[in-house]
Amino acid sequence: DTGVSQDPRHKITKRGQNVTFRCDPISEHNRLYWYRQTLGQGPEFLTYFQNEAQLEKSRLLSDRFSAERPKGSFSTLEIQRTEQGDSAMYLCASSPWTGGTFFGPGTRLTVT
Amino acid sequence: DAKTTQPNSMESNEEEPVHLPCNHSTISGTDYIHWYRQLPSQGPEYVIHGLTSNVNNRMASLAIAEDRKSSTLILHRATLRDAAVYYCILRDNTGFQKLVFGTGTRLLVSP
Repeated sequence: DTGVSQDPRHKITKRGQNVTFRCDPISEHNRLYWYRQTLGQGPEFLTYFQNEAQLEKSRLLSDRFSAERPKGSFSTLEIQRTEQGDSAMYLCASSPWTGGTFFGPGTRLTVT
Repeated sequence: DAKTTQPNSMESNEEEPVHLPCNHSTISGTDYIHWYRQLPSQGPEYVIHGLTSNVNNRMASLAIAEDRKSSTLILHRATLRDAAVYYCILRDNTGFQKLVFGTGTRLLVSP
């Protein structure tokens, strides 16, 4: 399977703990995006990488959130000091220069 | 970001054609019209996109109005697996090309 993969698929954590999610994009795609989706809503953009450079960050991405894409390959999204409001599906996506964007299956985070 | 307007929900019977409308009256000249769908508990899936001309692929057809202020996603024969939320999104092909999702149209397909 050469699609976008995400790990883990589910994460349950206690409030205040740190969590890290990983995304492996489609190998030839140089654009990588993170989105967040809560129940009943469409996905919301969080951040964008072009190769290893993080070029855009949403206002939704508070200081507790950090994303990296070392060497322009896989990416990680870390949430520090998690809050119950962080409970959501975190989606990673990648795209080539033109054409469609391809999403991974998502990581569902539950903060208790 | 330019906005789109879609009906909240639509219903169809299996093996019938489905026409999902989208209005985008503020579309700019560099905006492409993209359609994605999201099945339950899955990430969004790319369906089709176009600029001015109608487009066909193995999943669907996209009909774009001459003034580009509206478009229609056409599923030629709906199946139960097509039950999903369908998002119509305008994406500028310059810059970062992020997708701005609305609430989409929930398509219900009955056997």
